[in-house]
Amino acid sequence: NAGVTQTPKFRILKIGQSMTLQCAQDMNHNYMYWYRQDPGMGLKLIYYSVGAGITDKGEVPNGYNVSRSTTEDFPLRLELAAPSQTSVYFCASSEKTANYGYTFGSGTRLTVV
Amino acid sequence: AQSVAQPEDQVNVAEGNPLTVKCTYSVSGNPYLFWYVQYPNRGLQFLLKYITGDNLVKGSYGFEAEFNKSQTSFHLKKPSALVSDSALYFCAVRDPYNTDKLIFGTGTRLQVFP
Repeated sequence: NAGVTQTPKFRILKIGQSMTLQCAQDMNHNYMYWYRQDPGMGLKLIYYSVGAGITDKGEVPNGYNVSRSTTEDFPLRLELAAPSQTSVYFCASSEKTANYGYTFGSGTRLTVV
Repeated sequence: AQSVAQPEDQVNVAEGNPLTVKCTYSVSGNPYLFWYVQYPNRGLQFLLKYITGDNLVKGSYGFEAEFNKSQTSFHLKKPSALVSDSALYFCAVRDPYNTDKLIFGTGTRLQVFP
């Protein structure tokens, strides 16, 4: 099994551009999450989803959008990229609630210049 | 506010020596606690968790963690460190007000020297 797959692995964006970070899981997990990781700040939750068609905001949702049309896919959309969005982005999934722990993807390193 | 703290940015230990990576928590009710490890350019990997039961939890790669309710701590330990244990370690706690989410600490970098 591939687990959680994130694409692309690296991307450089110019200020004001838009892009979509892709996340797919093949474990039939209902719960999916997007985090950003900044040095010394740990992981901050951007958005999460408890099932297809259901999404909710995390701690730092501004500047991002998500959709969950299928169980497998949970793309993260950046509109009007800003330097503050330079970060490493991780997608994760969980079978049920957070009690079960998360399976993480390998991350997308995004730089906005 | 519900939170988890990792007081050390970095821990240095010689190979073969015991290691401890500290974590304290502040949450309402009974905590559900987790440790994750991140190797360079990789995603986080699950190490172990405490939900209930024995205060000493054993996990992957020879790691264990001790839950201490009176000290609100969940320190990660290993009896004999390996150079390959060098990585970034994250403690996390389930958000008691939204059990769908984990709250992560800021991470501790473990450096094991030969």
